[in-house]
Amino acid sequence: QVQLVESGGGLVKPGGSLRLSCAASGFTFSDHYMSWIRQAPGKGLEWISYISSSGSDRYYADSVKGRFTISRDNAKNSLYLQMNSLRAEDTAVYYCARRSVAASGTPVVDPWGQGTLVTVSS
Amino acid sequence: DIVMTQTPLSLSVTPGQPAAISCKTSQSLLHGDGKTYLYWYLQKPGQSPHLLIYEISRRFSGVPDRFSGSGSGTDFTLKISRVEAEDVGVYYCMQAIQFPWTFGQGTKVEIK
Repeated sequence: QVQLVESGGGLVKPGGSLRLSCAASGFTFSDHYMSWIRQAPGKGLEWISYISSSGSDRYYADSVKGRFTISRDNAKNSLYLQMNSLRAEDTAVYYCARRSVAASGTPVVDPWGQGTLVTVSS
Repeated sequence: DIVMTQTPLSLSVTPGQPAAISCKTSQSLLHGDGKTYLYWYLQKPGQSPHLLIYEISRRFSGVPDRFSGSGSGTDFTLKISRVEAEDVGVYYCMQAIQFPWTFGQGTKVEIK
């Protein structure tokens, strides 16, 4: 079955770096655009980045632009998020999510992984 | 950025009764391709969000028919015809017509 498993979260000091990974299985990873979405503790959802199937097109939320980099390795069925210059407000559960196309031809974003927690604190 | 405003922010429902959540957007979500990129997600306690409705009213695979979506342009509604205990959680609307994708604040649904 389709599965997305995030890893790489943890405790990091302000200004530090972290690299998140998302391992995909159960589908042809290279056919799908992917996204990272985060959720601060007790808060709502915030989309932060998106990458095309080949990796040639990338989009970022203003809140992370210039600090975070999305990438993928289709040979390894993996999505990544390199996070630099981390701030306290980056503390959140980070989810990866797959974009696919429904029968109607409409893009949909599902499933999401279980998430990995990033805590930025001194 | 497109602002998504959900109401109410919380809802307490008796099992078997209906429930409705509104989502109003700051811009039309109707794309030039004729599709409206409005989605509804449910995040059950302790879980990641999962898709319920896409393109305003289309139920995603496996979603019970007690869930329905309606609306157009900038005004949308998610309805649950008869709430069940398993429907508790936080419901989010989302737009994907343009980057950045944005979400509503979430509506917490609990059972009375």
